[in-house]
Amino acid sequence: DAGVIQSPRHEVTEMGQEVTLRCKPISGHDYLFWYRQTMMRGLELLIYFNNNVPIDDSGMPEDRFSAKMPNASFSTLKIQPSEPRDSAVYFCASSLSRSLNTGELFFGEGSRLTVL
Amino acid sequence: GENVEQHPSTLSVQEGDSAVIKCTYSDSASNYFPWYKQELGKRPQLIIDIRSNVGEKKDQRIAVTLNKTAKHFSLHITETQPEDSAVYFCAASGRKTSYDKVIFGPGTSLSVIP
Repeated sequence: DAGVIQSPRHEVTEMGQEVTLRCKPISGHDYLFWYRQTMMRGLELLIYFNNNVPIDDSGMPEDRFSAKMPNASFSTLKIQPSEPRDSAVYFCASSLSRSLNTGELFFGEGSRLTVL
Repeated sequence: GENVEQHPSTLSVQEGDSAVIKCTYSDSASNYFPWYKQELGKRPQLIIDIRSNVGEKKDQRIAVTLNKTAKHFSLHITETQPEDSAVYFCAASGRKTSYDKVIFGPGTSLSVIP
């Protein structure tokens, strides 16, 4: 398996523009997590899905952020409109149910977002 | 919800010395405690984990200890090498209803000086 695949790897946009980040989890994994990493706040959990269903979105900063998982192999994180304070590295991670595996999170390489 | 604290935020050691990173968690229901290593510009990767029914676990030069009563756990790296330089994150996770939520500590930047 190629691992968790994220796109784009880098995104530079202007304030007010819409940003869409994409993630393809490892095949067969039933959990998908979106994290945001900044120097100030570390790794923040934004939202996670189980079997394509959003379970907890309490970490989503505000209504400008939304996430979807239309099927088991694809998820998106959308920011509309984007603001400079959204600049960060956004990681997607997937995992198998704890009862079947160690619970290890497999991270993608991240999407580095810069909002000017 | 769960809150994970981690100390120190930065740590510098001489090559060959030991490094210890400590974490505390708030939710007594947490039962799984992984440690991730993130090299500069790379993704976090699991290096070791421990479950609540175990007090200590070792894997070559790294070991983790867990004190459930005190709600703290630690990472120990012995005989440190320059390639151990990275940011280390502890995390806690617990099964609430049937779902899990992995919460990370703020990270410790470890520098191993040759």
